[in-house]
Amino acid sequence: GNSVTQMEGPVTLSEEAFLTINCTYTATGYPSLFWYVQYPGEGLQLLLKATKADDKGSNKGFEATYRKETTSFHLEKGSVQVSDSAVYFCALSDRRRGYSTLTFGKGTMLLVSP
Amino acid sequence: DADVTQTPRNRITKTGKRIMLECSQTKGHDRMYWYRQDPGLGLRLIYYSFDVKDINKGEISDGYSVSRQAQAKFSLSLESAIPNQTALYFCATSLGLAGGGEFGETQYFGPGTRLLVL
Repeated sequence: GNSVTQMEGPVTLSEEAFLTINCTYTATGYPSLFWYVQYPGEGLQLLLKATKADDKGSNKGFEATYRKETTSFHLEKGSVQVSDSAVYFCALSDRRRGYSTLTFGKGTMLLVSP
Repeated sequence: DADVTQTPRNRITKTGKRIMLECSQTKGHDRMYWYRQDPGLGLRLIYYSFDVKDINKGEISDGYSVSRQAQAKFSLSLESAIPNQTALYFCATSLGLAGGGEFGETQYFGPGTRLLVL
């Protein structure tokens, strides 16, 4: 079955530090890959996505590249801000099966201090 | 107004009680989903519906039931609540291929319902 593994947190950084959150996946077929973010007290919202190998998703300074050879979709940001403090979820959607239910990783909490 | 709304936002109930969580959306999406979130476990899919006449079990459907009353409404019921159903519950929607969406469509989440079963 499908699965997503992401690094455990919390990840604690100072403002302006470089961020990497690792995500690897196992899937049959050709998944689309997503990063969702959950700010405190809120629901999840899409941060970025990539639908095929070598695609790069980007938004709000965050980037992730769909690497089929390493089955990875690591999230990066060059300079984090306090406002980036949130829980980040990596997820996949299996295209081959013709529908799009999401399989989520367990989430990684990011804490950014001034 | 929010596109995906959930009621109630918080609920405390007792073991054995039947409760219903409701979700409404104004996005015009055909697909709707119910997830639960537990600390350290991420989100797990309970049920999903691709249109009004379609209901499917997710990975953790035991102890839950759903009803798709209209394209815009999808409710989750706990027939006899138990303490290990204490969690944060999220509804989500997406636009499927039949509605003009695409593979890998984005899911849009409601704000969540925090449920405590005593």
